[in-house]
Amino acid sequence: EPEVTQTPSHQVTQMGQEVILRCVPISNHLYFYWYRQILGQKVEFLVSFYNNEISEKSEIFDDQFSVERPDGSNFTLKIRSTKLEDSAMYFCASSGGLASSYNEQFFGPGTRLTVL
Amino acid sequence: DAKTTQPNSMESNEEEPVHLPCNHSTISGTDYIHWYRQLPSQGPEYVIHGLTSNVNNRMASLAIAEDRKSSTLILHRATLRDAAVYYCILITQGGSEKLVFGKGTKLTVNP
Repeated sequence: EPEVTQTPSHQVTQMGQEVILRCVPISNHLYFYWYRQILGQKVEFLVSFYNNEISEKSEIFDDQFSVERPDGSNFTLKIRSTKLEDSAMYFCASSGGLASSYNEQFFGPGTRLTVL
Repeated sequence: DAKTTQPNSMESNEEEPVHLPCNHSTISGTDYIHWYRQLPSQGPEYVIHGLTSNVNNRMASLAIAEDRKSSTLILHRATLRDAAVYYCILITQGGSEKLVFGKGTKLTVNP
């Protein structure tokens, strides 16, 4: 069964450093998402991406964040200058259909980001 | 985003049915009811969704009240693997693609 994969599974970085989290969505999917979950808290939406551009972003997704689909298979989340509060589990998701009202999102296993 | 209300936690015994309730009294006519779950240390996983009629799939059943102000996710025979946090989420047709997760219901399954 097709699945969303994410690398690395765990990333440790120093405050102020740049990190890139990588995701390979399901191959025929068109919509891509990043969510994050701070330990013990709710899953929070960060950004959605369709047709090579951001379709929606949350208040969390400020200028320090960016997303890219560089080669038609990978989908990346970059944090330019990490802060302690960026420590969280980051989930990538993808969906195939036009609207998620009737198309489910498939989530990856997540990347745990630890900022020291 | 339309809001949903779920109990914080529920407990069940293995191989017994589980009924997980969700209230969504402000639901609109174009809101779909989605259920996701998150097993420990994993990403969320789609379970089922519906609009007006009851729905069945290999994982669960979804019973939707006639006035659509509440719904119930039914696991027919709970297994230890069903221990997870279950989220009831409303998604408006033609609206935002994002999933808005609440705190969900933490289901504990006893052997």
